[in-house]
Amino acid sequence: DTAVSQTPKYLVTQMGNDKSIKCEQNLGHDTMYWYKQDSKKFLKIMFSYNNKELIINETVPNRFSPKSPDKAHLNLHINSLELGDSAVYFCASSQDVVQGETQYFGPGTRLLVL
Amino acid sequence: ILNVEQSPQSLHVQEGDSTNFTCSFPSSNFYALHWYRWETAKSPEALFVMTLNGDEKKKGQISATLNTKEGYSYLYIKGSQPEDSATYLCAFTGGFKTIFGAGTRLFVKA
Repeated sequence: DTAVSQTPKYLVTQMGNDKSIKCEQNLGHDTMYWYKQDSKKFLKIMFSYNNKELIINETVPNRFSPKSPDKAHLNLHINSLELGDSAVYFCASSQDVVQGETQYFGPGTRLLVL
Repeated sequence: ILNVEQSPQSLHVQEGDSTNFTCSFPSSNFYALHWYRWETAKSPEALFVMTLNGDEKKKGQISATLNTKEGYSYLYIKGSQPEDSATYLCAFTGGFKTIFGAGTRLFVKA
């Protein structure tokens, strides 16, 4: 039973398309995150939600819009995909928003924009 | 600019060797330091979280130390095994941000 799951695992799409990546956690956590693994393999925070409310929004193009229908789900919608959006996107969750909480990661979604 | 640096970038050792890696982080606004283990094609898994200067944590043959005053943490692996091959990530939490290092990629040859 996967704690943090993401779908799809792989996504290949054309430039200009709109796509969504879904994330679900069954850990009962209050806080969820989206990270982008950049070309240098760093994990960079994109968004963080606590109990369905946005608490961190790093400098991310507004083509990226997170949506949290409930605290177990945090989906990432990307409009007008660009070549530079190609990356691995990781979802994570933690018990709450208190600093220092261990994060539990999903398996990643490998996005390739052609 | 908050920066977390890990060294070395990669390390090749023989089975049975002991090894250690370094994580350097800002010494101001420190709240916690995490170590994660990340196997290829899997997701990062938590190893340790440390919050106090001088903290030491141990799990099996893997241990970690923390120096918040000078801003570094060491991860030690005693008697490396091929199954220890992975990327070891550290993450600094402070100022309500969590920042990950790029990781140290460990290869253990049988």
